[in-house]
Amino acid sequence: AQTIHQWPVAEIKAVGSPLSLGCTIKGKSSPNLYWYWQATGGTLQQLFYSITVGQVESVVQLNLSASRPKDDQFILSTEKLLLSHSGFYLCAWSHHRGRNTEVFFGKGTRLTVV
Amino acid sequence: GDSVTQTEGLVTLTKGLPVMLNCTYQTTYSPFLFWYVQHLNEAPKLLLKSSTDNKRTEHQGFYATLHKSSSSFHLQKSSVQLSDSALYFCALISGSFNKLTFGAGTRLAVCP
Repeated sequence: AQTIHQWPVAEIKAVGSPLSLGCTIKGKSSPNLYWYWQATGGTLQQLFYSITVGQVESVVQLNLSASRPKDDQFILSTEKLLLSHSGFYLCAWSHHRGRNTEVFFGKGTRLTVV
Repeated sequence: GDSVTQTEGLVTLTKGLPVMLNCTYQTTYSPFLFWYVQHLNEAPKLLLKSSTDNKRTEHQGFYATLHKSSSSFHLQKSSVQLSDSALYFCALISGSFNKLTFGAGTRLAVCP
């Protein structure tokens, strides 16, 4: 069975400090990988997606970057946090099955920027 | 581009009553629709999915029918329970298969 692990579970960071969030998928080779952001009680906004190692596409610009250094790993980062970066960050994966696909979410990282 | 509209921000109901959460969409591609449910402080989980016109799909007492003629995929349940209190998202997968577009979400609050 496939598992998705996100770290850390929660972070409190200062404005202007750097950030690195991670995600690992086990039990599935070459998944599509995604980062989503959710404001408290808000909708889910896709930030990035990756269909293969080393290739990441940005969906929206939020002064964040993402990388896929390994087939099963997806990293979200920034050098300088803003207050607006606070929220719930979700890593997700899907099969390469085209339109008949389902997106599976990790448990998320709750980020508070102070 | 693709879009998903959920008109109700909050729906409050008494346990045992029926519920319908609205979802309409816009896409230039053949649609594939999802309903996700998110309980407090948890990740979203898939509830239902469909790409077949006029075919009802069911799971855990919830059901929905994709109607391409009206671009709708409303979520229904005949009798809500306290445990159904959660945030419900309708979502549409894009023609490029790499983007899942979510609606704004509807919070369902079930009272005793």
